[in-house]
Amino acid sequence: DADVTQTPRNRITKTGKRIMLECSQTKGHDRMYWYRQDPGLGLQLIYYSFDVKDINKGEISDGYSVSRQAQAKFSLSLESAIPNQTALYFCATSRGGNTDTQYFGPGTRLTVL
Amino acid sequence: DAKTTQPPSMDCAEGRAANLPCNHSTISGNEYVYWYRQIHSQGPQYIIHGLKNNETNEMASLIITEDRKSSTLILPHATLRDTAVYYCIVPLTNAGNMLTFGGGTRLMVKP
Repeated sequence: DADVTQTPRNRITKTGKRIMLECSQTKGHDRMYWYRQDPGLGLQLIYYSFDVKDINKGEISDGYSVSRQAQAKFSLSLESAIPNQTALYFCATSRGGNTDTQYFGPGTRLTVL
Repeated sequence: DAKTTQPPSMDCAEGRAANLPCNHSTISGNEYVYWYRQIHSQGPQYIIHGLKNNETNEMASLIITEDRKSSTLILPHATLRDTAVYYCIVPLTNAGNMLTFGGGTRLMVKP
Protein backbone atom coordinates (compact mmCIF):
# COMPACT_ATOMS: atom_id res chain seq x y z
CA ASP A 1 0.00 0.00 0.00
CA ALA A 2 1.61 3.25 -1.15
CA ASP A 3 0.08 5.08 1.82
CA VAL A 4 2.51 3.26 4.12
CA THR A 5 6.17 3.58 3.20
CA GLN A 6 9.23 2.00 4.74
CA THR A 7 12.87 2.95 4.40
CA PRO A 8 15.24 1.41 3.62
CA ARG A 9 13.75 -1.46 1.59
CA ASN A 10 16.90 -3.53 1.94
CA ARG A 11 19.78 -3.27 4.35
CA ILE A 12 22.85 -5.35 5.01
CA THR A 13 24.76 -4.59 8.18
CA LYS A 14 27.28 -6.13 10.55
CA THR A 15 26.90 -7.52 14.02
CA GLY A 16 26.99 -4.81 16.68
CA LYS A 17 25.90 -1.96 14.42
CA ARG A 18 22.99 0.32 15.29
CA ILE A 19 20.22 0.24 12.72
CA MET A 20 17.10 2.34 12.33
CA LEU A 21 14.14 1.36 10.18
CA GLU A 22 11.64 4.09 9.39
CA CYS A 23 7.94 4.00 8.64
CA SER A 24 5.74 6.82 7.41
CA GLN A 25 2.02 6.87 6.66
CA THR A 26 -0.33 9.30 4.96
CA LYS A 27 -3.53 7.54 6.03
CA GLY A 28 -4.05 9.72 9.09
CA HIS A 29 -4.21 6.67 11.34
CA ASP A 30 -3.44 6.87 15.04
CA ARG A 31 -2.22 3.29 15.43
CA MET A 32 1.08 1.99 14.13
CA TYR A 33 2.81 -1.37 14.45
CA TRP A 34 6.13 -3.07 13.79
CA TYR A 35 6.23 -6.76 12.88
CA ARG A 36 9.01 -9.18 12.14
CA GLN A 37 8.79 -12.18 9.85
CA ASP A 38 11.34 -14.97 9.74
CA PRO A 39 11.54 -17.12 6.61
CA GLY A 40 8.55 -19.45 6.24
CA LEU A 41 6.91 -18.25 9.43
CA GLY A 42 4.05 -15.94 10.39
CA LEU A 43 4.36 -12.36 11.58
CA GLN A 44 5.38 -11.56 15.13
CA LEU A 45 4.53 -8.24 16.76
CA ILE A 46 7.54 -6.27 18.06
CA TYR A 47 6.02 -2.98 19.24
CA TYR A 48 2.82 -1.07 18.74
CA SER A 49 1.63 2.46 19.37
CA PHE A 50 -2.01 3.53 19.65
CA ASP A 51 -1.17 7.23 19.61
CA VAL A 52 1.86 9.51 19.77
CA LYS A 53 2.19 9.19 23.54
CA ASP A 54 1.49 5.46 23.70
CA ILE A 55 4.14 2.77 23.14
CA ASN A 56 3.64 -0.90 23.96
CA LYS A 57 5.79 -3.99 23.76
CA GLY A 58 4.66 -6.84 21.58
CA GLU A 59 5.62 -10.53 21.60
CA ILE A 60 9.32 -10.10 20.77
CA SER A 61 10.50 -6.65 21.88
CA ASP A 62 13.88 -7.70 23.33
CA GLY A 63 16.74 -6.17 21.36
CA TYR A 64 14.49 -3.53 19.77
CA SER A 65 13.33 -0.03 20.62
CA VAL A 66 10.89 2.34 18.93
CA SER A 67 10.18 6.02 18.63
CA ARG A 68 6.87 7.61 17.63
CA GLN A 69 8.03 10.99 16.39
CA ALA A 70 4.63 12.07 15.10
CA GLN A 71 1.29 10.59 14.19
CA ALA A 72 2.68 9.73 10.78
CA LYS A 73 6.08 8.36 11.78
CA PHE A 74 7.14 5.30 13.74
CA SER A 75 10.77 4.16 13.80
CA LEU A 76 12.24 0.84 14.88
CA SER A 77 15.82 0.65 16.16
CA LEU A 78 18.18 -2.24 16.69
CA GLU A 79 20.72 -0.85 19.13
CA SER A 80 23.26 -3.59 18.52
CA ALA A 81 22.25 -5.84 15.66
CA ILE A 82 22.82 -9.60 15.88
CA PRO A 83 22.56 -12.23 13.12
CA ASN A 84 19.32 -13.76 14.42
CA GLN A 85 17.62 -10.41 13.79
CA THR A 86 17.97 -11.10 10.09
CA ALA A 87 14.37 -11.00 8.89
CA LEU A 88 11.68 -9.12 6.99
CA TYR A 89 10.29 -6.18 8.94
CA PHE A 90 6.84 -4.77 8.28
CA CYS A 91 5.20 -1.61 9.48
CA ALA A 92 1.41 -1.33 9.62
CA THR A 93 -1.19 1.29 10.51
CA SER A 94 -4.83 1.20 11.56
CA ARG A 95 -7.57 3.58 12.52
CA GLY A 96 -8.74 1.79 15.66
CA GLY A 97 -12.31 1.14 16.68
CA ASN A 98 -14.48 -1.95 16.60
CA THR A 99 -13.34 -2.99 13.14
CA ASP A 100 -9.65 -2.24 12.93
CA THR A 101 -8.19 -3.07 9.54
CA GLN A 102 -4.41 -2.91 9.37
CA TYR A 103 -2.63 -1.61 6.29
CA PHE A 104 0.91 -2.78 5.71
CA GLY A 105 3.99 -1.27 4.18
CA PRO A 106 6.14 -3.06 1.61
CA GLY A 107 8.63 -4.33 4.15
CA THR A 108 12.34 -3.96 4.87
CA ARG A 109 14.63 -6.90 4.30
CA LEU A 110 17.39 -6.74 6.93
CA THR A 111 20.47 -8.95 6.88
CA VAL A 112 22.86 -8.92 9.82
CA LEU A 113 26.22 -10.52 9.05
CA ASP B 1 -9.35 -14.20 23.37
CA ALA B 2 -10.19 -16.57 20.54
CA LYS B 3 -7.47 -18.45 18.72
CA THR B 4 -7.76 -19.74 15.19
CA THR B 5 -6.81 -23.02 13.55
CA GLN B 6 -6.15 -23.33 9.81
CA PRO B 7 -4.78 -26.12 7.63
CA PRO B 8 -1.13 -25.42 6.79
CA SER B 9 -1.57 -25.81 3.04
CA MET B 10 -4.12 -26.30 0.26
CA ASP B 11 -4.12 -26.63 -3.50
CA CYS B 12 -6.68 -25.30 -5.94
CA ALA B 13 -7.05 -25.50 -9.72
CA GLU B 14 -6.99 -22.23 -11.61
CA GLY B 15 -10.51 -20.98 -12.34
CA ARG B 16 -12.08 -23.05 -9.60
CA ALA B 17 -13.34 -21.81 -6.26
CA ALA B 18 -10.86 -21.90 -3.38
CA ASN B 19 -12.47 -22.59 -0.03
CA LEU B 20 -10.21 -21.89 2.94
CA PRO B 21 -11.50 -23.07 6.33
CA CYS B 22 -10.81 -21.63 9.76
CA ASN B 23 -11.83 -22.82 13.20
CA HIS B 24 -12.31 -20.28 15.98
CA SER B 25 -14.31 -22.29 18.49
CA THR B 26 -13.61 -19.98 21.45
CA ILE B 27 -14.73 -16.79 19.72
CA SER B 28 -16.96 -14.55 21.78
CA GLY B 29 -20.10 -12.79 20.66
CA ASN B 30 -18.58 -9.42 19.84
CA GLU B 31 -15.36 -10.60 18.20
CA TYR B 32 -14.88 -10.19 14.47
CA VAL B 33 -13.12 -12.60 12.13
CA TYR B 34 -10.61 -11.05 9.73
CA TRP B 35 -8.88 -12.51 6.71
CA TYR B 36 -5.59 -11.25 5.30
CA ARG B 37 -3.28 -12.69 2.73
CA GLN B 38 0.43 -12.37 2.04
CA ILE B 39 1.81 -12.85 -1.43
CA HIS B 40 5.43 -13.92 -1.33
CA SER B 41 7.43 -11.53 0.89
CA GLN B 42 5.01 -8.63 0.31
CA GLY B 43 3.18 -6.87 3.12
CA PRO B 44 -0.04 -8.62 4.20
CA GLN B 45 -3.17 -7.43 2.44
CA TYR B 46 -6.59 -7.10 4.03
CA ILE B 47 -9.27 -9.21 2.34
CA ILE B 48 -12.49 -9.16 4.33
CA HIS B 49 -13.95 -9.33 7.83
CA GLY B 50 -17.26 -10.31 9.42
CA LEU B 51 -19.14 -10.73 12.68
CA LYS B 52 -22.24 -12.86 12.16
CA ASN B 53 -23.54 -12.43 8.65
CA ASN B 54 -21.91 -13.65 5.50
CA GLU B 55 -19.94 -10.94 3.73
CA THR B 56 -18.86 -10.39 0.14
CA ASN B 57 -16.60 -7.87 -1.51
CA GLU B 58 -14.70 -7.61 -4.77
CA MET B 59 -12.02 -9.98 -3.55
CA ALA B 60 -13.82 -12.75 -1.73
CA SER B 61 -16.78 -14.04 0.25
CA LEU B 62 -16.78 -14.92 3.93
CA ILE B 63 -19.14 -17.56 5.24
CA ILE B 64 -19.52 -17.71 9.03
CA THR B 65 -21.34 -20.63 10.62
CA GLU B 66 -24.40 -19.90 12.70
CA ASP B 67 -22.61 -20.82 15.94
CA ARG B 68 -19.66 -18.62 14.80
CA LYS B 69 -17.17 -21.35 15.67
CA SER B 70 -15.82 -21.57 12.15
CA SER B 71 -15.68 -19.67 8.90
CA THR B 72 -14.72 -20.20 5.28
CA LEU B 73 -13.07 -17.73 2.94
CA ILE B 74 -14.12 -18.27 -0.65
CA LEU B 75 -12.18 -17.04 -3.67
CA PRO B 76 -14.79 -17.72 -6.37
CA HIS B 77 -12.47 -18.03 -9.38
CA ALA B 78 -8.95 -18.53 -8.19
CA THR B 79 -6.11 -17.28 -10.39
CA LEU B 80 -2.39 -17.94 -10.23
CA ARG B 81 -1.99 -14.53 -8.59
CA ASP B 82 -4.07 -15.74 -5.65
CA THR B 83 -1.22 -18.05 -4.62
CA ALA B 84 -0.39 -16.74 -1.15
CA VAL B 85 -0.54 -17.42 2.58
CA TYR B 86 -4.01 -16.69 3.95
CA TYR B 87 -4.42 -15.68 7.57
CA CYS B 88 -7.63 -16.02 9.60
CA ILE B 89 -7.45 -13.71 12.62
CA VAL B 90 -9.64 -12.92 15.60
CA PRO B 91 -8.39 -9.66 17.16
CA LEU B 92 -7.23 -9.46 20.77
CA THR B 93 -10.10 -7.61 22.43
CA ASN B 94 -8.04 -7.05 25.60
CA ALA B 95 -5.39 -5.24 23.56
CA GLY B 96 -7.36 -2.72 21.59
CA ASN B 97 -8.52 -5.20 18.93
CA MET B 98 -4.95 -5.80 17.88
CA LEU B 99 -4.37 -8.42 15.18
CA THR B 100 -1.93 -11.29 15.69
CA PHE B 101 -0.78 -13.43 12.80
CA GLY B 102 -0.32 -17.19 13.18
CA GLY B 103 0.89 -19.64 10.56
CA GLY B 104 -1.97 -19.27 8.08
CA THR B 105 -2.82 -21.51 5.10
CA ARG B 106 -0.48 -21.61 2.14
CA LEU B 107 -2.74 -21.72 -0.93
CA MET B 108 -1.19 -22.92 -4.15
CA VAL B 109 -3.25 -22.24 -7.28
CA LYS B 110 -2.19 -24.57 -10.07
CA PRO B 111 -2.74 -24.24 -13.83
